[in-house]
Amino acid sequence: AQTVTQSQPEMSVQEAETVTLSCTYDTSESDYYLFWYKQPPSRQMILVIRQEAYKQQNATENRFSVNFQKAAKSFSLKISDSQLGDAAMYFCAFTNEKLTFGTGTRLTIIP
Amino acid sequence: GAVVSQHPSWVICKSGTSVKIECRSLDFQATTMFWYRQFPKQSLMLMATSNEGSKATYEQGVEKDKFLINHASLTLSTLTVTSAHPEDSSFYICSASRGHVPSYEQYFGPGTRLTVT
Repeated sequence: AQTVTQSQPEMSVQEAETVTLSCTYDTSESDYYLFWYKQPPSRQMILVIRQEAYKQQNATENRFSVNFQKAAKSFSLKISDSQLGDAAMYFCAFTNEKLTFGTGTRLTIIP
Repeated sequence: GAVVSQHPSWVICKSGTSVKIECRSLDFQATTMFWYRQFPKQSLMLMATSNEGSKATYEQGVEKDKFLINHASLTLSTLTVTSAHPEDSSFYICSASRGHVPSYEQYFGPGTRLTVT
């Protein structure tokens, strides 16, 4: 079974600064996808970024980028120029058949 | 594009009654739909996966007779909580995918808060 571990229950960052959220996973599969989802207070799950395991290049989406280390099974999310609207729960997720979520990291933005 | 709706967004029911939650993909055909449960301050736990026209696949520990899932069309899946009890109170989230295994991007509904009194 796949497991996803987020070791930081809570993180905070000053507005406009950069923060990195950690995620590790365990799997014996070689073909899979990794995601970061954001869940704001509205509880709507929003896809932040996606990474395909066969791609060595790290995915980027505007201010969001990942550091994907396949051998280490690590998938961290970097948020640059943090904004107040980035405050949310962030879930790392793994899938090759179905989504397995980590326990989440609550991100607070300090004005 | 890729909008998923859920109805109702919030429901209160009495213990022993049944409640149905609808999940619709509004602008695409969903080959696969998923149902999740989220307790306060916890992560999402997959309850079941359903493909249009076939029986749902339930995760271990999920009572299929209590949580009835029907995927009647490529745009609609329903979750019926039968004989609800207070411990069934939770936040239920559906998602829909265009792809089959391996799962591609899932588009999430806004969730339904169920309170059983």
